[in-house]
Amino acid sequence: EPEVTQTPSHQVTQMGQEVILRCVPISNHLYFYWYRQILGQKVEFLVSFYNNEISEKSEIFDDQFSVERPDGSNFTLKIRSTKLEDSAMYFCASRLQGDSLPTEAFFGQGTRLTVV
Amino acid sequence: AQTVTQSQPEMSVQEAETVTLSCTYDTSESNYYLFWYKQPPSRQMILVIRQEAYKQQNATENRFSVNFQKAAKSFSLKISDSQLGDTAMYFCAWSGGTSYGKLTFGQGTILTVHP
Repeated sequence: EPEVTQTPSHQVTQMGQEVILRCVPISNHLYFYWYRQILGQKVEFLVSFYNNEISEKSEIFDDQFSVERPDGSNFTLKIRSTKLEDSAMYFCASRLQGDSLPTEAFFGQGTRLTVV
Repeated sequence: AQTVTQSQPEMSVQEAETVTLSCTYDTSESNYYLFWYKQPPSRQMILVIRQEAYKQQNATENRFSVNFQKAAKSFSLKISDSQLGDTAMYFCAWSGGTSYGKLTFGQGTILTVHP
């Protein structure tokens, strides 16, 4: 069964360092998302990406964040200068394009980011 | 803005029993989808069940069913014949309007199934 794959599963980084979280969405999916979940809290939307551009972003997704689809398979989230409060689980998700109705998003297993 | 509220931070149930998790939401949109996602200790998000708002019939998926009350904006999840593997965090989520695909999640309910 096709699945969304995220690497690494756990990343530890020094405060102020740049990190890149990687995702390989399901191959025929067209919409891509990043969500984050601070420990013990709810899952929050960060950004959606379609047709090689950001289609929507949340208030959390400030200038420190960027997304890219550098080739036909990878979808990355970059945090330019990490802060302690960026420590969270980051989930990538993808979905097919429905004609007029949405299809469900499939989530990766997440990357746990720890900023020290 | 849409909001999703899960008022039960924690629930517990005995194995083989039935449990219902509550979810309410607020939206002015007429077309939307509602979802229940399961997050086991591995922390992967797994879709359990989904409901289209335009469908009156409640969705069912094996031991999982929903009670969708559109007028009351309520979307509860019933788990029948609970199994130890059902122990997880359960999130209710909303998607619709101009942001189809983007999910708005509730706070989650931790469900523990006891043997």
